[in-house]
Amino acid sequence: RKEVEQDPGPFNVPEGATVAFNCTYSNSASQSFFWYRQDCRKEPKLLMSVYSSGNEDGRFTAQLNRASQYISLLIRDSKLSDSATYLCVVNGMKAGYALNFGKGTSLLVTP
Amino acid sequence: EAQVTQNPRYLITVTGKKLTVTCSQNMNHEYMSWYRQDPGLGLRQIYYSMNVEVTDKGDVPEGYKVSRKEKRNFPLILESPSPNQTSLYFCASSALRGANTGELFFGEGSRLTVL
Repeated sequence: RKEVEQDPGPFNVPEGATVAFNCTYSNSASQSFFWYRQDCRKEPKLLMSVYSSGNEDGRFTAQLNRASQYISLLIRDSKLSDSATYLCVVNGMKAGYALNFGKGTSLLVTP
Repeated sequence: EAQVTQNPRYLITVTGKKLTVTCSQNMNHEYMSWYRQDPGLGLRQIYYSMNVEVTDKGDVPEGYKVSRKEKRNFPLILESPSPNQTSLYFCASSALRGANTGELFFGEGSRLTVL
C-alpha cells in the first residue's frame, strides 16, 4: 500500500460548485498533515495544514479522521482560479522529517 | 522577500557531463531537501539536510550528490547525468519544529533534460 494515496482525477466542475478531495495514508503514527496546491509546472505551495479538530480557511475546509487514516479537502463556491493540482502531504515520521506526497488530484473549474 | 532560489531554471545537457543545480534560501532554515517530480510518480525525495554538514539520502539518491557547507546553500550535483535523470527538480527548505517539519517552501523548479 502506498504511503499516501489520492484519486488523481481529473475533477471537472463548474464555477460555483462544491468539490471534495479525499486522501488516505498508511502510517498510523503520522502526526502532521497538509494540503499543498500546485499550478501547472510551478512549485507546490502550502494551502493549509490539517488539524485533528478540522479547520477552515475561507472557502476551504480540511478534515482529518485518524481512525480511518483519511484526510479530506472541501472547496466551496469553486472559482476558475482554483484550477490546479492538490497534493495531500503527510509526515511519515521516517528519518529526515520527510514529507510523503500524494501524487495529487487535478481540479479543473470551468465557466 | 523570503524565498528559495534555484539555478538554472532550465537546462539541456548530454549524458555524462557533470552539472550542478544550485539552491539558496534566505530564511535561515535548518532543513533543506531536494525532490524530483515525474509524471505519474509524484514528488520523490532525493537528499535532505538537517543542518550544515548534515546530509542524508532520501528515497531516490542514486546518481546524485549534495553538500551543505553553508546554511543557506544546498547544491545538487549530478556527476554523470543519464537520460533517466530527465525530470523537474525542486529544492525546498523548512524550519525545524521538534519532531515535525514546518511548512516546506519550494524553489521555482529546475527542468533538466539529459540527452
